[in-house]
Amino acid sequence: EAQVTQNPRYLITVTGKKLTVTCSQNMNHEYMSWYRQDPGLGLRQIYYSMNVEVTDKGDVPEGYKVSRKEKRNFPLILESPSPNQTSLYFCASSFPGTGELFFGEGSRLTVL
Amino acid sequence: KQEVTQIPAALSVPEGENLVLNCSFTDSAIYNLQWFRQDPGKGLTSLLLIQSSQREQTSGRLNASLDKSSGRSTLYIAASQPGDSATYLCAAGAGGTSYGKLTFGQGTILTVHP
Repeated sequence: EAQVTQNPRYLITVTGKKLTVTCSQNMNHEYMSWYRQDPGLGLRQIYYSMNVEVTDKGDVPEGYKVSRKEKRNFPLILESPSPNQTSLYFCASSFPGTGELFFGEGSRLTVL
Repeated sequence: KQEVTQIPAALSVPEGENLVLNCSFTDSAIYNLQWFRQDPGKGLTSLLLIQSSQREQTSGRLNASLDKSSGRSTLYIAASQPGDSATYLCAAGAGGTSYGKLTFGQGTILTVHP
């Protein structure tokens, strides 16, 4: 089954404790991206990757890091989480050109 | 910077009505325009994708149009059903050197009541 898998789905952590949200897709997509969804602000793009070792900033990259060492994986790293990073995070992937995005189920992160 | 606006923010209609959701964007230099559906507590599901060279796309009861020159897209839902109740989002994909950037609207919450 074609899917984008995110882990963890739910996480409560404390300020400053490094965490990684993993994202994996099994569709051989070149393009992957991360978004956060907040009430009143909608979905905002954090980072995106056009292919392995190629990443670029979206609209809200501050406080986040990403890496793309393999085509299927695109982890989101919060080196020192802060309460303003409490949000619902989505990972998505697609083939460039066709552009139809496939989304993961989301990861709800709470930073205390 | 691209800005995407969706009107109305919420819409409640009786079953069977035809309806139109609106999406406007400020930068017409888009690569594509996508419409998504989001159910509560779920991820987004792509409904229709319109490339910048296209004017419309259709899938079943859904039809999406794109007018780049006026910075507008509409999603038409025919013969609405209660199962269509969800949040509908549009997203503008950037072209050129910003290819890969995606800007979402805030969504329209649709309720179709029996």
